[in-house]
Amino acid sequence: AQKITQTQPGMFVQEKEAVTLDCTYDTSDPSYGLFWYKQPSSGEMIFLIYQGSYDQQNATEGRYSLNFQKARKSANLVISASQLGDSAMYFCAMREGGDTGRRALTFGSGTRLQVQP
Amino acid sequence: DAGITQSPRHKVTETGTPVTLRCHQTENHRYMYWYRQDPGHGLRLIHYSYGVKDTDKGEVSDGYSVSRSKTEDFLLTLESATSSQTSVYFCAITPEAPGGTEAFFGQGTRLTVV
Repeated sequence: AQKITQTQPGMFVQEKEAVTLDCTYDTSDPSYGLFWYKQPSSGEMIFLIYQGSYDQQNATEGRYSLNFQKARKSANLVISASQLGDSAMYFCAMREGGDTGRRALTFGSGTRLQVQP
Repeated sequence: DAGITQSPRHKVTETGTPVTLRCHQTENHRYMYWYRQDPGHGLRLIHYSYGVKDTDKGEVSDGYSVSRSKTEDFLLTLESATSSQTSVYFCAITPEAPGGTEAFFGQGTRLTVV
């Protein structure tokens, strides 16, 4: 079974509008972390935001927020006021096992976001 | 900048030849990883290391081996390259600070096996 599922291969959004990128996850580990990364056309992986499984509040970083719904096992990324520079591939990822274990990330297949002027 | 350098950045090789990719870090992190990125699959873990000479397999390790003789270097070897190993390869490190520490990635190596 997929551990991280991103069901939107591609999305379009108008500049200055908000957009939500979906991510669902599957784990039986009570301690885990959820991450979002951005990959622009240049190819580098850019960390955006993190949510821990025990965090009570949704994470926010500037224009990025993570809508964490633990019971539904979803961790959607919300980008407010989209900019042309937000056009990129976005990956949701999960680390299981807290601070122990191999500390590796499991990635979803990604969502390609295109911001239109 | 987590001080991660991958080399080479691009390589074209022939089927059946051995290939070694290098990941070098400057900050003495214990955990290092090799991922491959293919369309439709995101990034998938090939091998990882949790210290000098301590390595283990990831989900897509067939056809790959790794070595870590120094903290700063993590090598990925394709013993006999195949066309299915054409991919973009990323090295990553994870600091050991407690809590939600993100992974930092190198710039990637684009490998083409012809």
